[in-house]
Amino acid sequence: QSVLTQPPSASGTPGQRVPISCSGNSSNIGTNYVCWYQQLPGTAPKLLIYRNNQRPSGVPDRFSGSKSGTSASLAISGLRSEDEADYYCAAWDDSLSGWVFGGGTKLTVL
Amino acid sequence: QVQLVESGGGVVQPGRSLRLSCAASGFTFSSYAMHWVRQAPGKGLEWVAVISYDGSSKYYADSVKGRFTISRDSSKNTLYVQMNSLRTEDTAVYYCARDTGRSGFYDLGDFWGQGTLVTVSS
Repeated sequence: QSVLTQPPSASGTPGQRVPISCSGNSSNIGTNYVCWYQQLPGTAPKLLIYRNNQRPSGVPDRFSGSKSGTSASLAISGLRSEDEADYYCAAWDDSLSGWVFGGGTKLTVL
Repeated sequence: QVQLVESGGGVVQPGRSLRLSCAASGFTFSSYAMHWVRQAPGKGLEWVAVISYDGSSKYYADSVKGRFTISRDSSKNTLYVQMNSLRTEDTAVYYCARDTGRSGFYDLGDFWGQGTLVTVSS
């Protein structure tokens, strides 16, 4: 059971906009920054979003992040087949004094 | 360019020890906090530990506290994790990852290594 809650799966057709949610509490998302990662099959995770809504250089602006209260969301617009991957959210948890991850969302491009 | 290369993985019996290394290059290693993150086969990501830029602060996941020790050697640009009293549930790919800051609280993993597999089995 992960501390951060994500839907196990999401799907969309090419060109669509797909949101992925991440729910936490006041000790993690409610107080600290949220990061989002993309993990393609057989590869290491890649940082997509940091500090709730900032994109590292090289990450397309099709990926966007937001946070409200104790929940965060990753949105992927203009969906492409190469976006098919697992997506994870993470945040520092003040109560646990450590980082916590969501269980991951497997995105399928139909 | 930033590179993180893990090594030291392998097959080990339950109760034994293993030390993983992560060789860093392409950036000023002593200026960044560093993390270990693991992923059991077919499972999600699990944070293991973080060490601050100067090694003065360390934090661990409850699942490894008291058994794992994170450390760093800035003269060798290398991050370590000493894993003792290994359990079958420690079987995973272990990644090292750089933080964007010095403390390790804000942004985990702007760069990741390729991972090293640890299998704990009798």
